[in-house]
Amino acid sequence: DSGVTQTPKHLITATGQRVTLRCSPRSGDLSVYWYQQSLDQGLQFLIQYYNGEERAKGNILERFSAQQFPDLHSELNLSSLELGDSALYFCASSDPMDEQYFGPGTRLTVT
Amino acid sequence: GESVGLHLPTLSVQEGDNSIINCAYSNSASDYFIWYKQESGKGPQFIIDIRSNMDKRQGQRVTVLLNKTVKHLSLQIAATQPGDSAVYFCAENNAGNMLTFGGGTRLMVKP
Repeated sequence: DSGVTQTPKHLITATGQRVTLRCSPRSGDLSVYWYQQSLDQGLQFLIQYYNGEERAKGNILERFSAQQFPDLHSELNLSSLELGDSALYFCASSDPMDEQYFGPGTRLTVT
Repeated sequence: GESVGLHLPTLSVQEGDNSIINCAYSNSASDYFIWYKQESGKGPQFIIDIRSNMDKRQGQRVTVLLNKTVKHLSLQIAATQPGDSAVYFCAENNAGNMLTFGGGTRLMVKP
């Protein structure tokens, strides 16, 4: 158990809908990262937050957004969902030594 | 559990043998490299890391070798066990704490 929690574990929704994925980092970690893992693209970095502020952005679509709250939990919002958004979404948090600890993921299925 | 990828290269080894998993990275400016293990249905789990000022680092049953000249990273697992069966990813850290993952290698351990 990495100490990073993600909810929900599974999510099934229809095209065009909007969903919110939630992540709670390990106690004491200020950084939160979001990754997408799909069969054809592998693990791809989406976005990083540090202590409530956006720190780095990767291959994140404009339809996707994230935020980190004062209690350090983070949410990833995916809107106007398409079939190709079906994937595993992982959250990770890091300690000051840079090690990233991954949560168990949320499996999103868009039908 | 979920399949991480259907077209991953696969390394099949006998229980008790040593395993070597290789990875080529892309960015010569990367200064930190990590190996992750991902079991079916779980998030990536940190195994071992190495900074660019080192060429070798050992952990418990695992060794990471870094060859910056050819931008190559390898993970050696000694006395491979059935519990080592998983997909292994290398990741490079550049541009802050943004990880770029390799495509992954599936390790299968035959009892």
